[in-house]
Amino acid sequence: EVQLLESGGDLVQPGGSLRLSCAASGFTFSTYIMNWVRQAPGKGLEWISVISGSGDNRYYADSVKGRFTISRDNSKNTLYLQMESLRVEDTAVYYCAKWLGRTWQNPSDYWGQGTLVTVSS
Amino acid sequence: EVVLTQSPGTLSLSPGERATLSCRASQSVSSTYLGWYQQKPGQAPRLLIYGASSRATGIPDRFSGSGSGTDFTLTISRLEPEDFAVYYCQQYGVSYTFGQGTKLEIK
Repeated sequence: EVQLLESGGDLVQPGGSLRLSCAASGFTFSTYIMNWVRQAPGKGLEWISVISGSGDNRYYADSVKGRFTISRDNSKNTLYLQMESLRVEDTAVYYCAKWLGRTWQNPSDYWGQGTLVTVSS
Repeated sequence: EVVLTQSPGTLSLSPGERATLSCRASQSVSSTYLGWYQQKPGQAPRLLIYGASSRATGIPDRFSGSGSGTDFTLTISRLEPEDFAVYYCQQYGVSYTFGQGTKLEIK
């Protein structure tokens, strides 16, 4: 059974940093593209970042480019999101999600339960 | 950026009725790269449809998708009580963008 478990969400001040983790199990983690999607309170879904199975290729939404870094440790079956220079508008539930297939153009077929990041003074 | 516009914003129907949800893209999207998700309060999204018309694993056949180019549709043939939720379309052909969602509520 595929399982994704996010952690690391917290209350942080504007300008602060936070690292989210997503522990994966139930599939061959290193062979799947993974991504992060966020959802501000009461709002819709926003894709923010994706990483290849090897970790060599990464892409970001413009809203987080230069501030967030996606990475993965395939030996630990864990996906990360390092968030820097956080803004109030980064407040959201952050989901990690697994790609359905092994190419860049795929939807996400499994999602974690999400972790809440609140940016506020 | 490909902008997806979903309509209506809210759809009020009764169990047993047919639901038709629309997703319009700002530019042509290959049907291969269009998906639909369901999200219930406090839960993560669930993939329903990918490739515009293929049902994801475990999705009942009352859910169907169709469309091409800039116009796509999610149809729920006969609403069950558990189908009342928010539905999002997503394109994954040119970067990755979601529509703003359609809330399907009980009338």
